[in-house]
Amino acid sequence: EVQLLESGGGLVRPGGSVRLSCVTSGFIFSNYAMTWVRQAPGKGLEWVSSISGSAGSTYYADSVKGRFTISRDDSKKTLYLQLNSLRAEDMAVYYCAKGVGYYLGSDFDYWGQGAQVTVSS
Amino acid sequence: QSALTQPASVSGSPGQSIIISCTGTNSDIGHYNYVSWYQQLPGKAPKLMISDVSNRPSGVSSRFSGSKFGNTASLTITGLQAEDEADYFCSSYTNTRTVIFGGGTKLTVV
Repeated sequence: EVQLLESGGGLVRPGGSVRLSCVTSGFIFSNYAMTWVRQAPGKGLEWVSSISGSAGSTYYADSVKGRFTISRDDSKKTLYLQLNSLRAEDMAVYYCAKGVGYYLGSDFDYWGQGAQVTVSS
Repeated sequence: QSALTQPASVSGSPGQSIIISCTGTNSDIGHYNYVSWYQQLPGKAPKLMISDVSNRPSGVSSRFSGSKFGNTASLTITGLQAEDEADYFCSSYTNTRTVIFGGGTKLTVV
């Protein structure tokens, strides 16, 4: 059974940093692209960042480029998102999602339960 | 890049069919057959319902189908059931190697 479990969210001050983790199981982690998608309160889904299988390539939305860093540790089957210089508009539930292939696509077949990031002073 | 355009809401009665449209540009929907549809129930994570324009993942009801013409993709749900009431999001791969979502459509089964 495929499982994705996010952790690391919480309350952060504007300008602060936080690191999200997504521990996975049930599939060969290194073979799949992984993605972070966020959802602000009452809003739609926003793609944030993706990383191809075996950390070959990384991709970012313009809204987070230069502030967020995606990475993966295939030995630990874990995906990370480092969030720096946080703004009020970054406040959202952050979902970890598994791609259906090695490279980035728009199909995400398994999702975690989400990690809440609250940005407030 | 702006979000894909979806109607904010659609509604239908049990047993009826509905169509949700998703309009993009030549840089995304019109350029690739990488369009997906997600169902999100309240308080839950999204669920993949359609991949690559029209493919249904294992376990998804055959009442759900997808199509594309030009820059517009569509999700059709036939034989509406109360359990289909949810938010639906489309997404597409883009020519800048990013992914873009639609704003979401709230489906009400009345």
